[in-house]
Amino acid sequence: DAGVTQSPTHLIKTRGQQVTLRCSPKSGHDTVSWYQQALGQGPQFIFQYYEEEERQRGNFPDRFSGHQFPNYSSELNVNALLLGDSALYLCASRLGDMNTEAFFGQGTRLTVV
Amino acid sequence: DQQVKQNSPSLSVQEGRISILNCDYTNSMFDYFLWYKKYPAEGPTFLISISSIKDKNEDGRFTVFLNKSAKHLSLHIVPSQPGDSAVYFCAANGNQFYFGTGTSLTVIP
Repeated sequence: DAGVTQSPTHLIKTRGQQVTLRCSPKSGHDTVSWYQQALGQGPQFIFQYYEEEERQRGNFPDRFSGHQFPNYSSELNVNALLLGDSALYLCASRLGDMNTEAFFGQGTRLTVV
Repeated sequence: DQQVKQNSPSLSVQEGRISILNCDYTNSMFDYFLWYKKYPAEGPTFLISISSIKDKNEDGRFTVFLNKSAKHLSLHIVPSQPGDSAVYFCAANGNQFYFGTGTSLTVIP
């Protein structure tokens, strides 16, 4: 049973460019959340998708957008990249939006130069 | 505004002894709490959780204690093993998961 998978694992982009990160949830999970983890910090919530809709959103600008597909996989898009967007981006999945544990992927390390 | 706080950035413990990791939160509406362990270059791994209707939950060597009146939870690892060396994050579930900044645990053989 595959867990949460993310692609790519590493990415280098130039300031001003756009990036798309991808996530496949754990089998049976229908809720996907995205987090940004800067060095030395805990994961910061970006947004959560359930039934192909954005359900909650953290304190991130509109440059961060996402999508969930009918097979529950998800994409995170970041436009007009800034140097400060360099971070580890984590995808987490769980079943529903009740109190259950979330399972994380290994993350995508994004470096903006 | 940091709603979940882990005030100890690091902790060192001898193998076989107890490790106690602490976490404080500010929002009394949080009703579900989790601990995650993270190794370098890996995503966080779920360890143990506790609902706000409980004050203790055990899973093998790991026990989480919740003190709602103090808005405090702690993770006890007994006995500590070198493989437990990692960064530990506590998280609270409101309408999203709020994470602390992590505590780096080193278990010394």
